[in-house]
Amino acid sequence: NAGVTQTPKFQVLKTGQSMTLQCAQDMNHNSMYWYRQDPGMGLRLIYYSASEGTTDKGEVPNGYNVSRLNKREFSLRLESAAPSQTSVYFCASSLGQGNTGELFFGEGSRLTVL
Amino acid sequence: AQSVSQHNHHVILSEAASLELGCNYSYGGTVNLFWYVQYPGQHLQLLLKYFSGDPLVKGIKGFEAEFIKSKFSFNLRKPSVQWSDTAEYFCAVTPNQAGTALIFGKGTTLSVSS
Repeated sequence: NAGVTQTPKFQVLKTGQSMTLQCAQDMNHNSMYWYRQDPGMGLRLIYYSASEGTTDKGEVPNGYNVSRLNKREFSLRLESAAPSQTSVYFCASSLGQGNTGELFFGEGSRLTVL
Repeated sequence: AQSVSQHNHHVILSEAASLELGCNYSYGGTVNLFWYVQYPGQHLQLLLKYFSGDPLVKGIKGFEAEFIKSKFSFNLRKPSVQWSDTAEYFCAVTPNQAGTALIFGKGTTLSVSS
């Protein structure tokens, strides 16, 4: 039972490059989320998808795009990476629509933008 | 928009000391409240949650939290900490309505010395 799987786990980019972080969950959860974690800032919500076919902006959506490909997968894309996007990115999922219960987190993806 | 404040950035305790971590939120309506823990090198895990009912909720590993509506607070407590409680603790809140997502506080790092 894999839970929430994120790829890649580590990535180094140059400023202006693009990349996509992939996330998949095998728990048949309805909602999925992307957070970034920075020292002293806690976790900040980038985008979320309360259900298949919907996406919504979180606290810090600028510079990112997302795609809820199907119920299992929720990808995060950086079109033109900037050093300010250096962070650890966590994907999470929940059975209910966000507010109703426990979030299950992936292992995280550490991104460095030079 | 709702927000979460955690008063203590870093708490240092000796084993067997009592713990209380403060959390206040700003939102005028009904909320669901959570505490998550992140052990070194791991992803976030749920400690406990409050939706309704008894304002004193018990979680895993001997943790408990008390919801005080009049103070917009949800403080985490543990009577006697152990070295293994060394971790980062996050308070999170979400409005009790469909289609919303958890907003996290900035976290409190707990260091327990043996």
